[in-house]
This record gives sequence, structure tokens and C-alpha cells, in this order.
Amino acid sequence: DTAVSQTPKYLVTQMGNDKSIKCEQNLGHDTMYWYKQDSKKFLKIMFSYNNKELIINETVPNRFSPKSPDKAHLNLHINSLELGDSAVYFCASSLRPGPRVFGPGTRLTVL
Amino acid sequence: AQTVTQSQPEMSVQEAETVTLSCTYDTSESDYYLFWYKQPPSRQMILVIRQEAYKQQNATENRFSVNFQKAAKSFSLKISDSQLGDAAMYFCAYRANNRDDKIIFGKGTRLHILP
Repeated sequence: DTAVSQTPKYLVTQMGNDKSIKCEQNLGHDTMYWYKQDSKKFLKIMFSYNNKELIINETVPNRFSPKSPDKAHLNLHINSLELGDSAVYFCASSLRPGPRVFGPGTRLTVL
Repeated sequence: AQTVTQSQPEMSVQEAETVTLSCTYDTSESDYYLFWYKQPPSRQMILVIRQEAYKQQNATENRFSVNFQKAAKSFSLKISDSQLGDAAMYFCAYRANNRDDKIIFGKGTRLHILP
């Protein structure tokens, strides 16, 4: 029944580690996104994929790499985690130009 | 560049009363969409209401309605008969209807419901 799902919901890790967050949507949407929400609740787009093609690639460090094996999945891989990467990461999907449907978010804490 | 401004970082309203959250935006586009999203403590982002710029009629969804003033670039959200479950962060958002698929979010307004 879940529309946009993300795993894990919580992720606590040490600085320097590599981690991945998975996202799946079962809505048949053609576009998927990753957003970062910082401690002040500001939401910022990171990436978007449309039918597995990268559309938006905002100014994020190269340590962040999205991977879209098919149009229902958009995973986020982060290398060499830093303290400043601590945030909530939201996956979302849409059928353009419709509104975004958001996943439940992944709270990443880097120690 | 497009911007979205929510000038009220926090607001409070008595249960069952009506509250209006403000949002202004800046754009040179004529065709665009506006949204209000709600983020309760569960942190799930939930679409509350959407408005197409070409529609003059204000959108409504049950107790939620908007006052869309295109010339003034204003898009306020009115919540009638406030309920405890309405307590959340509310984000105003803008998206141009073009190939640029970005949504610009405001910084949010935290709404408290007083019992």
C-alpha cells in the first residue's frame, strides 16, 4: 500500500563511512527526487531522475551519487560521510507536472 | 531567480478557530503551480493543497483553502475550525510549468494549536 518508501528510516554512522539509502515508489511515476532537510527545516533539492535519466543535479559534493536501476527506484549513495551530512533525506516522486509525493524520510546522523 | 517567502516562522491558534498562513513568491513566469505541504512531528511531508496559476478560482480542500492573488504574488493558506492534528510545519512551494522541474520551498511556518 505504501506509495514512496525509504530504507532505512534512521541511520547512525561514523565519519568517513560509506552508506546508502534506498527509495522505491509504486505509483507508476516517471520522476524521482532526493531532497535534504537541514536542522533548520530548510528543504533543498539534490537530484532528480526522469525515466532513469538525470535531470537535476544541484551543487552537492561528489561524495553523493544517485543510482536509478529502474524508474521505480532511486537510491542515494554517500561516500566518506562528514558531520555536515547529518540531516533528514527525503525521496519523492511525481508524474510531471504533478505534485511531489514524499517518502517518510531518513534521518542520518554522522558521529 | 524564483523565491518563496514565508514571513511567519511560528504561529498559534486556538482549537476550532481560523488561522491564515502567509506566503509570497517572486517569479517572472506566467504559468506555474503553487503548493502547501504539511510536515507533522512524524516528519512525513503531506500535500495539503495545490493551485494552478492559470485558474482564477481559489483551491479548497475541506477545511483548507487558499487566497491566491496572482498580481500580488501572494498565496496564503486558511485553515478553518483548527484541530489538534493540524499542528505541524507548513511549507509553501512554487514550481514553474516548464522543463525546469524544480520546486522551490519556503522556510516554513510552525503552527501550534492551543487546546
